[in-house]
Amino acid sequence: AQRVTQPEKLLSVFKGAPVELKCNYSYSGSPELFWYVQYSRQRLQLLLRHISRESIKGFTADLNKGETSFHLKKPFAQEEDSAMYYCALRNSGNTPLVFGKGTRLSVIA
Amino acid sequence: DVKVTQSSRYLVKRTGEKVFLECVQDMDHENMFWYRQDPGLGLRLIYFSYDVKMKEKGDIPEGYSVSREKKERFSLILESASTNQTSMYLCASSLPGQGNEKLFFGSGTQLSVL
Repeated sequence: AQRVTQPEKLLSVFKGAPVELKCNYSYSGSPELFWYVQYSRQRLQLLLRHISRESIKGFTADLNKGETSFHLKKPFAQEEDSAMYYCALRNSGNTPLVFGKGTRLSVIA
Repeated sequence: DVKVTQSSRYLVKRTGEKVFLECVQDMDHENMFWYRQDPGLGLRLIYFSYDVKMKEKGDIPEGYSVSREKKERFSLILESASTNQTSMYLCASSLPGQGNEKLFFGSGTQLSVL
């Protein structure tokens, strides 16, 4: 069965410090991984997807199939990064996303 | 910009009541989803639909049903509300196929069952 694990419920970092939000998955095939973000009083929205290999708002995430991980990283945290972050997985085809339990990131000034 | 509209932002109901949560999207998306969002439990899929009059159970369908009579509207029904259904309910829509990982979410309905 597909499973997404985000081990940290809450992560607090100081402004300017590096950030790493952990995500591990269990899936036997070739998964597609995503990060979604929900800022305070805003809708949940897609942040980035692994196939695009993009950097959004300074965040990057690399799919590591050996470690079955898709950690979200940013070298210098900003206060506006404070939000709820969800890692999500999809197997091939038109199947629904499976979400992790989320990590709340708090960036302290 | 895709707009997913959930009819109520806050809803308070009594145990045993029948509850309707409405969701409408304006971008002709085939796929629609209902999730519930609980602290510490993340997003859990209740039901989804890939076409009109089509529905599939998600991970936690017990106590819920859905209706999709028109492409743009996907309704979640709680036949007899219970206190453990107090939650934030999120509706989402997407295109089929490779585009379906980009979910467009509504602003959510916070349901309290007393």
